[in-house]
Amino acid sequence: AQKITQTQPGMFVQEKEAVTLDCTYDTSDPSYGLFWYKQPSSGEMIFLIYQGSYDQQNATEGRYSLNFQKARKSANLVISASQLGDSAMYFCAMSATGTASKLTFGTGTRLQVTL
Amino acid sequence: DAGITQSPRHKVTETGTPVTLRCHQTENHRYMYWYRQDPGHGLRLIHYSYGVKDTDKGEVSDGYSVSRSKTEDFLLTLESATSSQTSVYFCAIGRGVMDTEAFFGQGTRLTVV
Repeated sequence: AQKITQTQPGMFVQEKEAVTLDCTYDTSDPSYGLFWYKQPSSGEMIFLIYQGSYDQQNATEGRYSLNFQKARKSANLVISASQLGDSAMYFCAMSATGTASKLTFGTGTRLQVTL
Repeated sequence: DAGITQSPRHKVTETGTPVTLRCHQTENHRYMYWYRQDPGHGLRLIHYSYGVKDTDKGEVSDGYSVSRSKTEDFLLTLESATSSQTSVYFCAIGRGVMDTEAFFGQGTRLTVV
């Protein structure tokens, strides 16, 4: 069975600062994928970034980067230069096969960006 | 281009009544999924489909059934709705190289009274 743990229910960050959202995972599968999603107050789920378990380099997508530490089973999301529009719920998720199939989600972290 | 359309977007129904939620995609993707979102649980997989008439159970499938008679449509049915099925339901498709991006619909808020 897979498990995702997000230990930060809520986080605050000042505009233009960087913030790290924590995610640890547990799986016995040799191949897996790690994902981050953003859910603004409007409710939609927005895909941010993906990291495959065999990828050698950390994934980056614009201001988002995934700090993947395989030995520690962590997949933290780093948002650089926070913007007010980054205020939202953020979910970490994983899949066993490395694709987007059958995702297991964490409980989420609510990020609030302040002036 | 919405890609995925869920209907209805909101529904209130009475305990014991059947309810069907529809997910329609315009992108011809093979893989489709139904999730539910509840406070404190994140999203949990209900059922998924790997193709027409090819479906399987997810983590929280009890009380739900699905059908996929066409590539573009994935239906989720609550045979006899209960208050514990009050939730927000999301449909998703797998996009991108090796389906590494799960693209979600806008969600259906279902209230069972």
